[in-house]
Amino acid sequence: KQEVTQIPAALSVPEGENLVLNCSFTDSAIYNLQWFRQDPGKGLTSLLLIQSSQREQTSGRLNASLDKSSGRSTLYIAASQPGDSATYLCAPRLANAGKSTFGDGTTLTVKP
Amino acid sequence: KAGVTQTPRYLIKTRGQQVTLSCSPISGHRSVSWYQQTPGQGLQFLFEYFSETQRNKGNFPGRFSGRQFSNSRSEMNVSTLELGDSALYLCASSSAPDIYEQYFGPGTRLTVT
Repeated sequence: KQEVTQIPAALSVPEGENLVLNCSFTDSAIYNLQWFRQDPGKGLTSLLLIQSSQREQTSGRLNASLDKSSGRSTLYIAASQPGDSATYLCAPRLANAGKSTFGDGTTLTVKP
Repeated sequence: KAGVTQTPRYLIKTRGQQVTLSCSPISGHRSVSWYQQTPGQGLQFLFEYFSETQRNKGNFPGRFSGRQFSNSRSEMNVSTLELGDSALYLCASSSAPDIYEQYFGPGTRLTVT
């Protein structure tokens, strides 16, 4: 059974800081890993998708890396802004299981 | 291109009743997945449909069921509602299963009293 752990559970930083969110998973037989953000009471917004054959993906101020063999992914946010405040979730897609397993998320607060 | 839509957005039901939730995927997407989100359990996978066929099912009781129509729209049904079924139900669509990006709808907030 895939177990997904996200560290830290919560993070509070001043505006402008660069930060790293961590995601680890126990089963490395994955198709891909997707990062999402969720605002309170809302649905999930896709941020980045990394296929199992890729090492990293970038979108604007976001950069996600994947080390499949060690079961780890990181999401790097550059020059954080108050609008980045949200819960960030990672979801590896397990091969032969047809589903994504979600971590509990990291709740980020960026203070002006 | 319109995103994933879910109806209704909010629902209040009484224990023992049944409920049907609807999900319309992004145009052209044929894969639809359903998830339940609660504060205690996080996001839990319910089921996935592709081309009107259920591909996978999560670890939920038989009271939870779903289907997909030929236009890729999907519905999920919960019968004999329990208080513990109160949750945010999220639907996600993708072009096809497994390797493509998933896009989520805004969810249906179900409250069982």
